[in-house]
Amino acid sequence: GAVVSQHPSRVICKSGTSVKIECRSLDFQATTMFWYRQFPKQSLMLMATSNEGSKATYEQGVEKDKFLINHASLTLSTLTVTSAHPEDSSFYICSARFERGEIETQYFGPGTRLLVL
Amino acid sequence: GNSVTQMEGPVTLSEEAFLTINCTYTATGYPSLFWYVQYPGEGLQLLLKATKADDKGSNKGFEATYRKETTSFHLEKGSVQVSDSAVYFCALGIWDMRFGAGTRLTVKP
Repeated sequence: GAVVSQHPSRVICKSGTSVKIECRSLDFQATTMFWYRQFPKQSLMLMATSNEGSKATYEQGVEKDKFLINHASLTLSTLTVTSAHPEDSSFYICSARFERGEIETQYFGPGTRLLVL
Repeated sequence: GNSVTQMEGPVTLSEEAFLTINCTYTATGYPSLFWYVQYPGEGLQLLLKATKADDKGSNKGFEATYRKETTSFHLEKGSVQVSDSAVYFCALGIWDMRFGAGTRLTVKP
């Protein structure tokens, strides 16, 4: 079946550095991908919608200059957390829109746990 | 805007007990409704969905009915198993989805 991968699965970085997280659709093309953030024991919060070949659409309150999204191909979207700070520590999850004929659904990646020291 | 309110956990049940996890929503228009499950250490998996009023989604013994009159989409299972232990999320939308807070279910043998 359709699979979405994320890399890395876990990353620890120092405050002030930038971290890039990759989201790939492994056996289908996704013109639209989504980035979510999940705090411990809380729900997923949509951060932005990533559209292949165009700028991402950010949710209200999400800093686009801090969370850079690039959807360079139909199978890859990247989220870069720039100048990371401890409050950026979280679980980041991507999803990809799958369409084939009349089938439309969304597949989620396994998530990336970011810890900023 | 669209939002989901979900019964908070944690919920602890014995094996073969009946499960209900409440979910109510606020939405403009008629979005699809979903239940996702997150097993320990894994990503979200779609459990079931309903796309219009009175639709019943079902999978692996779980059921939920899209109730427009009560704006609800409660998750039920008649007899839970230890392997059902996970976090369950109610969600609505089409693509830019809104999730409930999640309910952690623990089933004890």
